[in-house]
Amino acid sequence: GESVGLHLPTLSVQEGDNSIINCAYSNSASDYFIWYKQESGKGPQFIIDIRSNMDKRQGQRVTVLLNKTVKHLSLQIAATQPGDSAVYFCAETYNDYKLSFGAGTTVTVRA
Amino acid sequence: DTAVSQTPKYLVTQMGNDKSIKCEQNLGHDTMYWYKQDSKKFLKIMFSYNNKELIINETVPNRFSPKSPDKAHLNLHINSLELGDSAVYFCASSQEADEAFFGQGTRLTVV
Repeated sequence: GESVGLHLPTLSVQEGDNSIINCAYSNSASDYFIWYKQESGKGPQFIIDIRSNMDKRQGQRVTVLLNKTVKHLSLQIAATQPGDSAVYFCAETYNDYKLSFGAGTTVTVRA
Repeated sequence: DTAVSQTPKYLVTQMGNDKSIKCEQNLGHDTMYWYKQDSKKFLKIMFSYNNKELIINETVPNRFSPKSPDKAHLNLHINSLELGDSAVYFCASSQEADEAFFGQGTRLTVV
């Protein structure tokens, strides 16, 4: 089976609240992790990445946390906006040529 | 200027036909990929090419034949199309260990 998975397939969040999307991976050799956002009818878009030598990385309104001990990755979105409604994927790689994706979490932002 | 472009965006064809999907990237990346996304949004890697050389073939039926005439192009040819081939196919590219950039996808419907 796939080595990357998400805990919840759907997440409904009130506009303005913070969102947390979780992801578990099983390959302890993975050294690079990426969060992607996929809007309807489009390809996945890069949000933020993190390498295995870090445990936290922040971007604009997004934070990725990596816990290598329990092989867990999370994406936090601050002050969720309607434009954040999308499917979110975590992905991992342990070499340069294969990016493995989890099943995706569909985030719906309530007005 | 589109970074990763694939054509066509939509493809409807009958079972048994042969079809091709084209992909071009203008990012100067060395690595290109084909991914298949099923109806449940699961993204699975099919092929990976680095500098025109096949690196990964994820047990894809040999009816699927990728061709990379140069490192900016990776086309996907599919012979004897089957109903189960219906999906969205994404082309992507990356440079070394950086994030992959995805095209807009090709929605293939086999009838």
